[in-house]
Amino acid sequence: GAVVSQHPSWVICKSGTSVKIECRSLDFQATTMFWYRQFPKQSLMLMATSNEGSKATYEQGVEKDKFLINHASLTLSTLTVTSAHPEDSSFYICSAPGGQVRETQYFGPGTRLLVL
Amino acid sequence: AQTVTQSQPEMSVQEAETVTLSCTYDTSESDYYLFWYKQPPSRQMILVIRQEAYKQQNATENRFSVNFQKAAKSFSLKISDSQLGDAAMYFCASSRGSTLGRLYFGRGTQLTVWP
Repeated sequence: GAVVSQHPSWVICKSGTSVKIECRSLDFQATTMFWYRQFPKQSLMLMATSNEGSKATYEQGVEKDKFLINHASLTLSTLTVTSAHPEDSSFYICSAPGGQVRETQYFGPGTRLLVL
Repeated sequence: AQTVTQSQPEMSVQEAETVTLSCTYDTSESDYYLFWYKQPPSRQMILVIRQEAYKQQNATENRFSVNFQKAAKSFSLKISDSQLGDAAMYFCASSRGSTLGRLYFGRGTQLTVWP
């Protein structure tokens, strides 16, 4: 199956700082990628759709100024959590439609963010 | 709005036995896909099986099969010959219409496999 990577795998930062998370499709190109957020022992919640060459599309209730998304190339999308606060602590996962089965989403391994 | 409901927060099964995980969904879309994903302790989401809504035939992947009842909006997952490695959180998900990557997830079912 298609491979999606994320970096870093975990990050600890101080409140008020910004954190950037990278999502890469390693063996395929992805014009669209998706960012999810998962709280402990809870489901995945879609945050936004990252579009290569255009603005991201945010789901209702997600602050676009807080969660900046840039789809810099056909294999890279970044999520920047700006002025992070403790309530932003969560597990962030990206996905991309991959390989020969475009209907299927392949997920990155996730990034655990802890804001102190 | 689309919703996905998994009514079983936890399930357990003996190794080599069969277990069925339930999922119901609600959508106004005419074309959509349904998925079961597995999330082990590593938290890597792994695709287990997918079903195209327009196909009447139930999807099967080795020991995993689904019972797709479109009229009832039901999409259950059957795991046969359960193995210890099947232990994980299982999420049911539906796609949001034509944008297939936008997925609605259920709250998950934690599956324990006993030796």
